[in-house]
Amino acid sequence: DAGVTQSPTHLIKTRGQQVTLRCSPISGHKSVSWYQQVLGQGPQFIFQYYEKEERGRGNFPDRFSARQFPNYSSELNVNALLLGDSALYLCASSGDRGNSPLHFGNGTRLTVT
Amino acid sequence: AQSVTQLDSQVPVFEEAPVELRCNYSSSVSVYLFWYVQYPNQGLQLLLKYLSGSTLVKGINGFEAEFNKSQTSFHLRKPSVHISDTAEYFCAVSGSNQGGKLIFGQGTELSVKP
Repeated sequence: DAGVTQSPTHLIKTRGQQVTLRCSPISGHKSVSWYQQVLGQGPQFIFQYYEKEERGRGNFPDRFSARQFPNYSSELNVNALLLGDSALYLCASSGDRGNSPLHFGNGTRLTVT
Repeated sequence: AQSVTQLDSQVPVFEEAPVELRCNYSSSVSVYLFWYVQYPNQGLQLLLKYLSGSTLVKGINGFEAEFNKSQTSFHLRKPSVHISDTAEYFCAVSGSNQGGKLIFGQGTELSVKP
């Protein structure tokens, strides 16, 4: 079975631009979470979606938004990019049970210049 | 709220030696605990998890961890490491009612030398 897939793998944007990152969960997983991993640090929680509804939001500005589609895939949007948004963005999916572990994709490396 | 502290940022060790990566957590509610491994330019792979029950948890690649509630620790161990174990290791915690939201430590870089 395919794991969590993310696209694109790498992206270079200029300050002030907008970016959309995409994620397809493992088949049968209805929950998708997004994380930001700045170089040299652990991942930080951005959003969780379940059945197309936002279930949780981390401490990120309103420039960050996300949505989940009927097929459970998800997009993360970041507006008005700042240099500090440069990071690896990780998507994870999980099953229905509250203790289901997260399965991560390989991430999208975003560089803002 | 939960927090995680990984006590060592870097752990160098020789091949076939034992290793312990230390993790302490804090939480006011019941928690689930996880260890993930990240190889260069890749996402995170689950090594093992503690949800409930036996405090000694066995994972993939010969790793194990012990949950110690009184010391709020979840240290990761392997009796004999290989060169291929060289990677970044992350300890993470979630509230038992907060599936999908993990709080990660800063990571420990394990470097296995021949």
